[in-house]
Amino acid sequence: DSGVTQTPKHLITATGQRVTLRCSPRSGDLSVYWYQQSLDQGLQFLIQYYNGEERAKGNILERFSAQQFPDLHSELNLSSLELGDSALYFCASSVAETGGWYEQYFGPGTRLTVT
Amino acid sequence: AQSVTQPDIHITVSEGASLELRCNYSYGATPYLFWYVQSPGQGLQLLLKYFSGDTLVQGIKGFEAEFKRSQSSFNLRKPSVHWSDAAEYFCAVAPAGGYNKLIFGAGTRLAVHP
Repeated sequence: DSGVTQTPKHLITATGQRVTLRCSPRSGDLSVYWYQQSLDQGLQFLIQYYNGEERAKGNILERFSAQQFPDLHSELNLSSLELGDSALYFCASSVAETGGWYEQYFGPGTRLTVT
Repeated sequence: AQSVTQPDIHITVSEGASLELRCNYSYGATPYLFWYVQSPGQGLQLLLKYFSGDTLVQGIKGFEAEFKRSQSSFNLRKPSVHWSDAAEYFCAVAPAGGYNKLIFGAGTRLAVHP
């Protein structure tokens, strides 16, 4: 158990809908990362937050957005869902962001199925 | 652009046999290098990492990896595989000195025969 929790574990929804994925980082971790794992794209970095502020963006679609709240939990919002958005979405957390590398601890993921 | 290549999609070995999983990276400078393991239904767990120094690094679960700058490679090895090692293995890089986003390879799925 990494200490990172993600809810829900599974989500099935229809095209065009909007969903919210939630992540609670390990106690004391200030940085949260979101990754998408899909069959055709593999594991891709989406976005990083540090202490409530966006720090880095990867291949995140404009239909997707994220935020980190004062209690440090994070939410990934996916809207206008398409079949191709079906994937496993991972959240990871680390103590800090720069000044060295800090191990990222991964949650178990949320499996999103768009039908 | 930074990239990570894992040439082997699937590998099958017998229990007790040795294992080598290949990883090549493309990056302007030596990045930070990592191997992660993903067991079915689980998140990713860090096996080992290389930042600098000794090119042979030891990790958890009896794994080791060797960094070869001339070949831009960071291959993962284990002298004797156990059935519990069956999983998917990901090589990853992160830009040295920058933000910590990870760039992953496509992964190698390891099957272990009894």
